[in-house]
Amino acid sequence: DGGITQSPKYLFRKEGQNVTLSCEQNLNHDAMYWYRQDPGQGLRLIYYSQIVNDFQKGDIAEGYSVSREKKESFPLTVTSAQKNPTAFYLCASSGQGGRNVLTFGAGSRLTVL
Amino acid sequence: AQSVAQPEDQVNVAEGNPLTVKCTYSVSGNPYLFWYVQYPNRGLQFLLKYITGDNLVKGSYGFEAEFNKSQTSFHLKKPSALVSDSALYFCAVRAANQAGTALIFGKGTTLSVSS
Repeated sequence: DGGITQSPKYLFRKEGQNVTLSCEQNLNHDAMYWYRQDPGQGLRLIYYSQIVNDFQKGDIAEGYSVSREKKESFPLTVTSAQKNPTAFYLCASSGQGGRNVLTFGAGSRLTVL
Repeated sequence: AQSVAQPEDQVNVAEGNPLTVKCTYSVSGNPYLFWYVQYPNRGLQFLLKYITGDNLVKGSYGFEAEFNKSQTSFHLKKPSALVSDSALYFCAVRAANQAGTALIFGKGTTLSVSS
């Protein structure tokens, strides 16, 4: 079945550590996205990529980094510079074009201890 | 700048009654509008979208939404609510003339359907 796989589902991190969240899709989608979800704040865009080897910052990119070396993969690194990283992280993908629906992964919950 | 407002944090409705979840948007030019639903600790699932054409859009699980350009609204509706409809609902928008941008989401509305 086609879809998006995010891993790990749950992750605990000590302050000062970098962590990387994985996002893999087999939908042959060109575009991929990372959103952060906090209670009462909805989804906020971290980074997105419309094509391999290219990506753009979203509204809250500070403290995060991404890479897009392969079409299927869009990993997100939460660095120690991110001041409040505890959140639910959602990866999504879509075909090119504004009419396309985003398909979401099941999410990764990061907790900083 | 694009934005989405969902004015109600929570909507409560009895099973069998009609439900409405409100959404208003702001974009330059024509909008592409979407509704998603999220169950606890899960990703978002697509419900329906408005791209062009008929202002009344029908989607999954008996949901529909009405696009109103003059009021810049895209309210989600269902004639008869089910307890299983209880979830978090998100409205999202993208400007039609900015296809290379990401979707902008509202803050979400929690729908609670009581039996």
